[in-house]
Amino acid sequence: QKEVEQNSGPLSVPEGAIASLNCTYSDRGSQSFFWYRQYSGKSPELIMFIYSNGDKEDGRFTAQLNKASQYVSLLIRDSQPSDSATYLCAVPGGRDDKIIFGKGTRLHILP
Amino acid sequence: EAGVVQSPRYKIIEKKQPVAFWCNPISGHNTLYWYLQNLGQGPELLIRYENEEAVDDSQLPKDRFSAERLKGVDSTLKIQPAELGDSAVYLCASSSRSQGEQFFGPGTRLTVL
Repeated sequence: QKEVEQNSGPLSVPEGAIASLNCTYSDRGSQSFFWYRQYSGKSPELIMFIYSNGDKEDGRFTAQLNKASQYVSLLIRDSQPSDSATYLCAVPGGRDDKIIFGKGTRLHILP
Repeated sequence: EAGVVQSPRYKIIEKKQPVAFWCNPISGHNTLYWYLQNLGQGPELLIRYENEEAVDDSQLPKDRFSAERLKGVDSTLKIQPAELGDSAVYLCASSSRSQGEQFFGPGTRLTVL
């Protein structure tokens, strides 16, 4: 059974600080990794994707991928109250194309 | 560019009644997904279409759930009969390619009484 694991939180971070969200996955064949943000009562929206080992930066967001250790993380710099949401990690399977979502981490930015 | 459209947004039914959800994906997106999301959980894939072909329906409870995507565009997900445990948000998503970025519709919140 392929798994994607996330700490459910809530993760509380002071405004202006760095929020760090982590995700581990079991399928070593996975090649691409997605982070979605979901506000309460809304549907998920993609904020980052990463394919290669290392870091990928987009504005205040940085995705980090370590395939050897099978984890992917999302860093949010200069956290804002509007970043308060649930962050979902999604990992397509390596061989069967099945995309598995983690349960999500609830992030709360403290004003 | 119009996003993924779903209807209805909310549905309340009594158990054992049938219910249907409709999804119109982003124009040109060949891949369409139906997910179920319970409170505090991530989306769980029910079925994935590539054009009009259901390529992954392994998680679809086929005794009561059915889906179709005629002509490879719009899709309908049906539950008959509904059970109390089917209460959840049903999300439709589409992407331009398999394993690519998915765009989600607003979802249908189903309540079974």
